[in-house]
Amino acid sequence: SQQGEEDPQALSIQEGENATMNCSYKTSINNLQWYRQNSGRGLVHLILIRSNEREKHSGRLRVTLDTSKKSSSLLITASRAADTASYFCATDRGSTLGRLYFGRGTQLTVWP
Amino acid sequence: NAGVTQTPKFQVLKTGQSMTLQCAQDMNHNSMYWYRQDPGMGLRLIYYSASEGTTDKGEVPNGYNVSRLNKREFSLRLESAAPSQTSVYFCASGGDLSPIYGYTFGSGTRLTVV
Repeated sequence: SQQGEEDPQALSIQEGENATMNCSYKTSINNLQWYRQNSGRGLVHLILIRSNEREKHSGRLRVTLDTSKKSSSLLITASRAADTASYFCATDRGSTLGRLYFGRGTQLTVWP
Repeated sequence: NAGVTQTPKFQVLKTGQSMTLQCAQDMNHNSMYWYRQDPGMGLRLIYYSASEGTTDKGEVPNGYNVSRLNKREFSLRLESAAPSQTSVYFCASGGDLSPIYGYTFGSGTRLTVV
């Protein structure tokens, strides 16, 4: 079963706008990760936030984590056409074995 | 470039045929994973190997077998392919820093079973 559920399923914005994607999960976690997948390609790791962290930044990415609500958000600021991709959240369900459980993803389209 | 290499990139099988998907990593990672991705879905874990010499089932292991040949290589075998195994298969690896920096994925094998 899917651990994470991303919301929205699809998002379409103009270049320069901010994109916000949300993820909810059901179990306790050690960390939550966000990955990007360009069409027809593999997944690329974007950012990881630990369960004891509330916010993390990396370049134009900002991730928040609310463990009480079992939810996370990924904000991409000043979006570019090159940001067009599917974005997935993944959790470890509290395991330390490296197994990841993915949501269905958000398809982001950034128009020039 | 260091990373995870999967072969082949594309494959078409007839129902009942067998094949092995190959995966190799050159990052000296201990753990390796096989996932499948179906349309509109996230990735689901088939099998994983936490270290050389060990393998364990993931969420959807039925119809598959794996071999951790050595630290670098982790193969996935379909003994008797079925149309339900049509999917894109991804191999991933992780090392000691993966709980901080995440995991590395290959570019995938697109498999069609007719």
